[in-house]
Amino acid sequence: QQQVKQSPQSLIVQKGGISIINCAYENTAFDYFPWYQQFPGKGPALLIAIRPDVSEKKEGRFTISFNKSAKQFSLHIMDSQPGDSATYFCAAIRGSSNTGKLIFGQGTTLQVKP
Amino acid sequence: KAGVTQTPRYLIKTRGQQVTLSCSPISGHRSVSWYQQTPGQGLQFLFEYFSETQRNKGNFPGRFSGRQFSNSRSEMNVSTLELGDSALYLCASSLSSPNEQFFGPGTRLTVL
Repeated sequence: QQQVKQSPQSLIVQKGGISIINCAYENTAFDYFPWYQQFPGKGPALLIAIRPDVSEKKEGRFTISFNKSAKQFSLHIMDSQPGDSATYFCAAIRGSSNTGKLIFGQGTTLQVKP
Repeated sequence: KAGVTQTPRYLIKTRGQQVTLSCSPISGHRSVSWYQQTPGQGLQFLFEYFSETQRNKGNFPGRFSGRQFSNSRSEMNVSTLELGDSALYLCASSLSSPNEQFFGPGTRLTVL
């Protein structure tokens, strides 16, 4: 019940296309859902996050869609650029419990071809 | 504002040795969490400290331990190293709420 399942494992998109990464969770106690971007040799960087009382959040080219009833959320990268090539992780946390315990998906390696 | 810093960036140890990793959080951040990242298991939570107290611990053996100092800096220690401990160890800091966590660059530990 603590798992977060992420798909696909890898993704290849042409420059200018839309990249879509999906995640699903079981634990309805999760109340904060961040996405992280990680480049080789670097730590994960917080990209965008959403709470379950919101169905969509947009920041620049990045959009999170959240479906509370289906317990699913997804990251959309619009107008994908070669510089977006990285590994993306979705995560979930019971923030209200103050545990500091992010549960991560397995990651998606995105390659944007020029 | 400076980000999370971790030292050292790279470490090579042999089986049976012990190692101490250090993390300095973003100024003003009081919560520090540690994670282990491996290709097989992904990112896994080790423990979280707030105001020098461990608030939560992940599913790792007792060989993994940590502490936090009064200036919020944190260390983690791994004793009796095993080959399987080879990983990228990441530290993340946040303000009092642990939701928004900011990661450091990690310490790459190789156990031979």
